[in-house]
Amino acid sequence: GQQLNQSPQSMFIQEGEDVSMNCTSSSIFNTWLWYKQDPGEGPVLLIALYKAGELTSNGRLTAQFGITRKDSFLNISASIPSDVGIYFCAGWRGSNYKLTFGKGTLLTVNP
Amino acid sequence: EADIYQTPRYLVIGTGKKITLECSQTMGHDKMYWYQQDPGMELHLIHYSYGVNSTEKGDLSSESTVSRIRTEHFPLTLESARPSHTSQYLCASGQVYEQYFGPGTRLTVT
Repeated sequence: GQQLNQSPQSMFIQEGEDVSMNCTSSSIFNTWLWYKQDPGEGPVLLIALYKAGELTSNGRLTAQFGITRKDSFLNISASIPSDVGIYFCAGWRGSNYKLTFGKGTLLTVNP
Repeated sequence: EADIYQTPRYLVIGTGKKITLECSQTMGHDKMYWYQQDPGMELHLIHYSYGVNSTEKGDLSSESTVSRIRTEHFPLTLESARPSHTSQYLCASGQVYEQYFGPGTRLTVT
C-alpha cells in the first residue's frame, strides 16, 4: 500500500525556536492533513490542504501542499511548551475514504 | 468540528473477558473508523464503516469485531481479551476525507 515517510521521527528544541517537519510519498495525494496528538488524547486536526501549491496558516502553524502532490510540510514558529506532542501527516488519494498516515513526529519543547 | 465520544477512557480487564468499546458521534457522519495505536505512535486502521450495516476490516488484522446499526454508533467488541490486545484504541468519523478523532480508550489486559 501507499506509505508516507514522515521526518524527523523526533525533535528536541528550545522554546522560541521554529520547527519544520515534512511528509513525502512516492504516490500522489489529493488532500493533505496535519494532526496533533497530546499525550493520552486523540489526534486533533490542525490544517487541511486541498490544492497543489496551497499554503495555509493556523496561528503559528503553516503548512504547504507540495507542487508535485507527493509531499507536504508543516512549520511551527516561535514554539511554546504546549506545542509538545506527536504530529501526524495524513494523505487522501481519492479512491476511497481511508487516510494514509505518517508514523508521526514527536516534538519536545524545553522551556 | 465533530463531537465524538469514546467510553470507557481507561479499562483494565482480565484475560478471557468479553469487552465492548463504545464510540458515538453527533455530527451525522457516514464514515467511521477504528484505529489501534501502540506506544510506538503509529496509527493502524483495524475497522471502518461507510454507513449503516456496512463494515470492513482495515489494513491491520484484528481479532475484534464491529457493528454499525445506527449512524451515530460504532462499537468495537473483543470476545475474549488477551494481553496482546493491550493498546490504545481510537475511533474517528468523517464525511469525505477529513477524519475527527475521539479521545481514545486505553485498554490493558492482564
